[in-house]
Amino acid sequence: SQQGEEDPQALSIQEGENATMNCSYKTSINNLQWYRQNSGRGLVHLILIRSNEREKHSGRLRVTLDTSKKSSSLLITASRAADTASYFCATAVNNAGNMLTFGGGTRLMVKP
Amino acid sequence: GAVVSQHPSRVICKSGTSVKIECRSLDFQATTMFWYRQFPKQSLMLMATSNEGSKATYEQGVEKDKFLINHASLTLSTLTVTSAHPEDSSFYICSAGADTEAFFGQGTRLTVV
Repeated sequence: SQQGEEDPQALSIQEGENATMNCSYKTSINNLQWYRQNSGRGLVHLILIRSNEREKHSGRLRVTLDTSKKSSSLLITASRAADTASYFCATAVNNAGNMLTFGGGTRLMVKP
Repeated sequence: GAVVSQHPSRVICKSGTSVKIECRSLDFQATTMFWYRQFPKQSLMLMATSNEGSKATYEQGVEKDKFLINHASLTLSTLTVTSAHPEDSSFYICSAGADTEAFFGQGTRLTVV
């Protein structure tokens, strides 16, 4: 079953704008990860944030985690047309931290 | 990061036949691998956990006799879709655990005609 819900389900922005995607989950987690998937392709790992972390940055990506609210957000700054893809949050629910449950995903379109 | 190779990337098969998908961890050993399925415009759903040397653990609603999983070595897990039907057409993707992270294969697009 899906653990996480993401919103929005779809997001359309202009190049240069920021894109924010939110993810909520239901149970305790070891870590939360964000992935990107281009249409019909495999997953690209973007960033992992552990349950004892609150914020993490990687290039134009900023991820926050609020374990009290069981929510996370992914911010992509200065978006580019190449950022067009589906973005999924995934929570690790086993002790090893590698068994993932995915959110519903956000389809992002960045218009040039 | 660690590399997981999945093969084939695309396969088209006739209804009623079986298809085998391989998932290999190339530079690390994985006692546990995971198989996911993704229908068009949907998210990934965990199908089963593949355990090296023992039986796979299937998620609720996944038929173990239809989706045969074999994890005979620490670097290879296979998923066989038996007696495939058009409704089995989907994107199948595996992951292998290394330490506390999961590394994904490239996925397999299965089309059953």
